[in-house]
Amino acid sequence: QVQLQESGPGLLKASETLSLTCSVSGGSVDRPNYYWSWVRQPPGKGLEWIGYVYYTGSTNYNPSLKSRVTMSMDTSKNQFSLKLTSVTAADTATYYCARSMSVVVNFESWGQGSLVTVSS
Amino acid sequence: SSELTQPPSVSVSPGQTARITCSGDALPRQYTYWYQQKPGQAPVLVIYKDTERPSGIPERFSGSSSGTTATLTISGVPPEDEADYYCQSTDSSGAVVFGGGTKLTVL
Repeated sequence: QVQLQESGPGLLKASETLSLTCSVSGGSVDRPNYYWSWVRQPPGKGLEWIGYVYYTGSTNYNPSLKSRVTMSMDTSKNQFSLKLTSVTAADTATYYCARSMSVVVNFESWGQGSLVTVSS
Repeated sequence: SSELTQPPSVSVSPGQTARITCSGDALPRQYTYWYQQKPGQAPVLVIYKDTERPSGIPERFSGSSSGTTATLTISGVPPEDEADYYCQSTDSSGAVVFGGGTKLTVL
């Protein structure tokens, strides 16, 4: 059974770059048909998809965040990562990594989430 | 439009049937997925491809879809099903869209 674990700084200042890594165990990130996503949830609010990276390195980002988002994979470490530039307080959220086994992306496996707070 | 609309809240008594709707113009062409999220926990997929139930999800969870509305039905709701429920779909570009979420209260 695949397990996902987010890691990264929990506190950032406005204008900095958010960097998170998702470590995957029980499965390989470089297998076909798996789409590796980031989803975030501001405190007390709903879910927002950020984007996904495929094992080929291709990506698909939420249009509302596309200008600030970069996702990549490190197959040697069985990890994938998220970078979000120029953060503001509105980026304060719990960030989840998640896996889809379908090109019609849906999330059957999730990490436990990592709270990132942006201070102004 | 790729937006998904859910009622903010639904309330039922234990043992009753809860129905949570999700409306969107793209739903006739795209599958709907449903997640349950309890406080402090990651979401859990409870319905995929409109009507399918993942292994390990109780049979009381079912899904349906007709036209622009998808529905999550929970039959005989126990107190432990009190949670937030989110619908999810994709648009024509493959981008993922979530509904705003519905808080299910089991009184």
